[in-house]
Amino acid sequence: GESVGLHLPTLSVQEGDNSIINCAYSNSASDYFIWYKQESGKGPQFIIDIRSNMDKRQGQRVTVLLNKTVKHLSLQIAATQPGDSAVYFCAEKGGGGSNYKLTFGKGTLLTVNP
Amino acid sequence: DVKVTQSSRYLVKRTGEKVFLECVQDMDHENMFWYRQDPGLGLRLIYFSYDVKMKEKGDIPEGYSVSREKKERFSLILESASTNQTSMYLCASSFPPTYEQYFGPGTRLTVT
Repeated sequence: GESVGLHLPTLSVQEGDNSIINCAYSNSASDYFIWYKQESGKGPQFIIDIRSNMDKRQGQRVTVLLNKTVKHLSLQIAATQPGDSAVYFCAEKGGGGSNYKLTFGKGTLLTVNP
Repeated sequence: DVKVTQSSRYLVKRTGEKVFLECVQDMDHENMFWYRQDPGLGLRLIYFSYDVKMKEKGDIPEGYSVSREKKERFSLILESASTNQTSMYLCASSFPPTYEQYFGPGTRLTVT
């Protein structure tokens, strides 16, 4: 079977479609979540964040949904463009105000076909 | 704009060499981080610093040390490089009380 951690989940969409990237987190005490985009050869860039007292937050063409009951986070990208092709990471921050460390997921590769 | 710079984009070193990776941020951020990134494993935290001369181990500190003598600079040191330290190294900084981390472009280190 497939070895955990060696294969990056992938999502392939057509230009103009909406994309949904999912993330399961592990710590029920996590109180902050963030999505990053990493293009080839670059460092991760901030997309959008959400605190645990919210279940939805919208940005420009992006929406993050948080379902604390099942510990699930999703990133929706509207009208996906070729420039959206990248690896997308979710990250969580454990509860506790003095802890600034983020724990990152393994990432999802989004490919947008023209 | 926050700028996080890393001293090298690509580095090739031999097994056993001492390696220094430098990171500088220009926004007076208290927190700085070093991660390594390997295919399919995401970002794993090596070390974290929350103030000058203060450091905290991350999830995978073995084989690494760090130095923070000035607020803007955070160095990652491989005392004796090994082939299993071949990886992409990413530096980041953040400004309490916010949690968003700003990343540098990364250093791709190859140890032969």
